[in-house]
Parts: sequence; structure tokens; C-alpha cells
Amino acid sequence: GQNIDQPTEMTATEGAIVQINCTYQTSGFNGLFWYQQHAGEAPTFLSYNVLDGLEEKGRFSSFLSRSKGYSYLLLKELQMKDSASYLCAATDYNQGGKLIFGQGTELSVKP
Amino acid sequence: SAVISQKPSRDICQRGTSLTIQCQVDSQVTMMFWYRQQPGQSLTLIATANQGSEATYESGFVIDKFPISRPNLTFSTLTVSNMSPEDSSIYLCSGESQGGGNYGYTFGSGTRLTVV
Repeated sequence: GQNIDQPTEMTATEGAIVQINCTYQTSGFNGLFWYQQHAGEAPTFLSYNVLDGLEEKGRFSSFLSRSKGYSYLLLKELQMKDSASYLCAATDYNQGGKLIFGQGTELSVKP
Repeated sequence: SAVISQKPSRDICQRGTSLTIQCQVDSQVTMMFWYRQQPGQSLTLIATANQGSEATYESGFVIDKFPISRPNLTFSTLTVSNMSPEDSSIYLCSGESQGGGNYGYTFGSGTRLTVV
């Protein structure tokens, strides 16, 4: 099976940088996703990593280390609108391509 | 990436009744999934909707309670049967798309179900 862990909540200040960590265990790793979810809305795609390294996309970057089973999402120049739940999810080719989610990290950005 | 239309967006239902949720994708997707998200929690996978055959259910979910159909590559339904207040949750469908050089999972807007 799969096991995905991330902190349940974090707090950061507007304009700052925050790093949300995620560790995962899968038998047949096939990619890691980060999603953002605002209250009452569906998750929206942020990033996808399948190879080691850093993927940068504007204020958001995502990092993957397959040997360590570790990923992080880096948010720069935080804005109030970044207050949301951030979901780490992994796919496993031994599990038929299912996307399995961690418990989500509730990020609060304060002035 | 694919766009998924999900309906209804919300409903309030009487216990003992059933509700069918529909998802329509604007392009063919290889796989479709149904999730449940209870208040304050993350997404829990209910089942994989298989085109033209029975869905594959996760542990804790059964076909009699959550029958699923997927008659083609762009449409799927989830029925929540014989509902009880414990079924109050948000239900989301998702599609895996690999077209156009983009790979990802897109979600419908969700169905907020309240059982009274």
C-alpha cells in the first residue's frame, strides 16, 4: 500500500517563504503531485514531479527526492490568498494509477 | 487538461434515499476515480471507475452502497445508496488525462451532500 505524511497545519507571514514537506512510501512510485484546495472548492493542480530535482513555476516550486521518499512545496512571497489546504498525493503503478492523498496541510497566512 | 462538469453541486437528502452524482469530461480520459472528502479532512478514494466493466473499490467501500457506472471514456456516475447522516460529505470525481503532452489529474467541482 501507500503511506503519505505531511504536517496538518502551518502558519506563515505575508511576504515570507514557507516550505511544506511531504514524505511518502510506495512500492512502485510513479509521480508526486501537489494540489491547492480552498475551503468549499475542488483541488486545483499545482505541480507534478516524477524525476528528482526542483520544478519552479512562478511563486511555487516543488522538489522531489525519490531515494528519500521526500518532496516539498515551496511558496514564496506569500499572499493572503495563499491561505488554503495543500495536498500531497502520489501515484503507484502497482496500484493501477490511483492518486492517493496525504492528510493535507492547512496553511494560514497572517498579515 | 480535461475539464470535468459535476452535478449536482449540492443536495440535501432524506435518510434512506439514494442520490446519483454525474461527471462529464470534455475529452477522453484514461481513468476516472471517485473520492469522498469529509469536513476538515483530505480526500479518500472510494473506487476506480472502469469503462465498460465493474468499478474497483477501495477497502471499506462496497458496490451495494456506492454503485458506479462508466459507460464510456467521458462519463461516470456514483450513486450513494440508502443514505444515512454519516454519508454527509463532499463527493468528487477525478479524471487522469495524458493528452497533449500534459499528464495530470483533474477534479470536478464536487457535490456537497447533506443527509437529514
